[in-house]
Amino acid sequence: TQLLEQSPQFLSIQEGENLTVYCNSSSVFSSLQWYRQEPGEGPVLLVTVVTGGEVKKLKRLTFQFGDARKDSSLHITAAQPGDTGLYLCAGAQRWAGKSTFGDGTTLTVKP
Amino acid sequence: NAGVMQNPRHLVRRRGQEARLRCSPMKGHSHVYWYRQLPEEGLKFMVYLQKENIIDESGMPKERFSAEFPKEGPSILRIQQVVRGDSAAYFCASSAGTGDSYEQYFGPGTRLTVT
Repeated sequence: TQLLEQSPQFLSIQEGENLTVYCNSSSVFSSLQWYRQEPGEGPVLLVTVVTGGEVKKLKRLTFQFGDARKDSSLHITAAQPGDTGLYLCAGAQRWAGKSTFGDGTTLTVKP
Repeated sequence: NAGVMQNPRHLVRRRGQEARLRCSPMKGHSHVYWYRQLPEEGLKFMVYLQKENIIDESGMPKERFSAEFPKEGPSILRIQQVVRGDSAAYFCASSAGTGDSYEQYFGPGTRLTVT
């Protein structure tokens, strides 16, 4: 059973469109991270959300942590080709001492 | 990638040889994680180590794979008698392991090709 479910698995859109990707679980997390990975590179940490209901913005990216700390979303406004990559969410549970990763959403933004 | 170093970046091995992958964590980090990634797939957790201790190796194959994080020096992921199915990108991440965040910072990866 996958602890973290990400959807959609693949997303292909035109430049300028908006999109939302989701990260869902039945488990509660003490924090949740979002990463972006470009081809041939390691994942890069984008944001950490800790408080239920928290919203964080990073330029055109908006991250939200669910009130119950079981899910999160990433919204991108006016997507650009540079946003292309694999977006990964990772949930941390204190008892586990480590984070669990979802399988990722592969985003392609066409010019 | 926040200072996590991995080497080599590319490694080619023939079937049956050994592969040694090295990871130097970010300065001040004492927690190291290894992941494997196949093309077009997400990260698969392999092992979680702290200095001189394996904390969780639930994702690591029981045979041929081993990992260590000695008191001095880098963490090593060792694959003995490699097979073609071991071809993948192997990523190391490190964290400070404090507080609630467990933020992990990744290295650039080692791409292993088994011929």
